[in-house]
Amino acid sequence: AQSVAQPEDQVNVAEGNPLTVKCTYSVSGNPYLFWYVQYPNRGLQFLLKYITGDNLVKGSYGFEAEFNKSQTSFHLKKPSALVSDSALYFCAVREIATGRRALTFGSGTRLQVQP
Amino acid sequence: EAGVAQSPRYKIIEKRQSVAFWCNPISGHATLYWYQQILGQGPKLLIQFQNNGVVDDSQLPKDRFSAERLKGVDSTLKIQPAKLEDSAVYLCASGGAGTANEQFFGPGTRLTVL
Repeated sequence: AQSVAQPEDQVNVAEGNPLTVKCTYSVSGNPYLFWYVQYPNRGLQFLLKYITGDNLVKGSYGFEAEFNKSQTSFHLKKPSALVSDSALYFCAVREIATGRRALTFGSGTRLQVQP
Repeated sequence: EAGVAQSPRYKIIEKRQSVAFWCNPISGHATLYWYQQILGQGPKLLIQFQNNGVVDDSQLPKDRFSAERLKGVDSTLKIQPAKLEDSAVYLCASGGAGTANEQFFGPGTRLTVL
């Protein structure tokens, strides 16, 4: 069975500083990996995905994520945080071999960017 | 491009009552999903449709939950009778046919069961 772990319930960072939101996954084979962001009273918005190829994936709003197969991680990063980045972030995985399209989500990490 | 539409946005009912949620996916998206998101948790799949057929309903509590997708477009999710633990946000998502495609989520319906 596939699973996702987001070890930090909350990440606090000062505006202008780099941020990292951690994600590790578990699948039997190769994964597709996704990051979504959720603002209050809104649905999840897609940020970026890893399918294949370059381990560093760039996405919306200046976010990027690095796929590390040996560590089974897919950490979300941004070089310079903005107050408007404050939101709830979800990592999700889909196992390629099963052909199952539904995503398995982590429990989420709340990012708080202080001015 | 219009996004995924859901209604109602909020619903408050008493336990043992029934409730229904509606979803209109992005035009042309063959795959439609219903997720349940309990406060403090990530979304959990309830049911997945491919066109108007059910692909995965392994986590749907079938004794009380039902869903349909008539004509392969709109979908409804019903709970009958509701329990206190059904209080959650119900998210509808749609996606293209490819397995690498991301899913697009609606704003969700927040259900409170009293």
